[in-house]
Amino acid sequence: SQQGEEDPQALSIQEGENATMNCSYKTSINNLQWYRQNSGRGLVHLILIRSNEREKHSGRLRVTLDTSKKSSSLLITASRAADTASYFCATDVRESGYSTLTFGKGTMLLVSP
Amino acid sequence: NAGVTQTPKFQVLKTGQSMTLQCAQDMNHEYMSWYRQDPGMGLRLIHYSVGAGITDQGEVPNGYNVSRSTTEDFPLRLLSAAPSQTSVYFCASSYSSGEQETQYFGPGTRLLVL
Repeated sequence: SQQGEEDPQALSIQEGENATMNCSYKTSINNLQWYRQNSGRGLVHLILIRSNEREKHSGRLRVTLDTSKKSSSLLITASRAADTASYFCATDVRESGYSTLTFGKGTMLLVSP
Repeated sequence: NAGVTQTPKFQVLKTGQSMTLQCAQDMNHEYMSWYRQDPGMGLRLIHYSVGAGITDQGEVPNGYNVSRSTTEDFPLRLLSAAPSQTSVYFCASSYSSGEQETQYFGPGTRLLVL
């Protein structure tokens, strides 16, 4: 079953606006990661936040993590048309000895010029 | 560095045929994994390996087989293809320090089973 669930499923904004995507998960995690996937391509890692961190920045990206609510958000500021892609959260979970990464279903972001 | 490479890029199979999807990485990563991506389903873990000779099942392992004889290569075998295995398959690798670090993905293999 999916560990992470992104919200919204799809988001359409204008260039220059901010985009916020949310991720909820079910079990305790070691870390949470966000990935981007352009149409027809593989996933690209954006940012990783560990369970003992609450906020992290990378360029125009800001990620927050609330372990008490089992949720995370990804904020993209001053969005550009090139940010159009699907965004996935992934949680690092250790269930049976080895740690694995479980992905959500993703948020499709469309940034219009 | 080539990163993570996958072959073939596209494949069409008939039901019952077998094939091997190839995956290789040149980053000396211990951890490698295979995912399948279906519309609206995100990525689901098929099998993974934490090092040469060590593999384990993920969320959807049925119908697939893996082996890890070297650090670099992690092939995925479809034993008897079924239409339900039509999907896009991604291989990924990462340095694992006990918890999952950044995963590097290959470009994917698009498989159609008729």
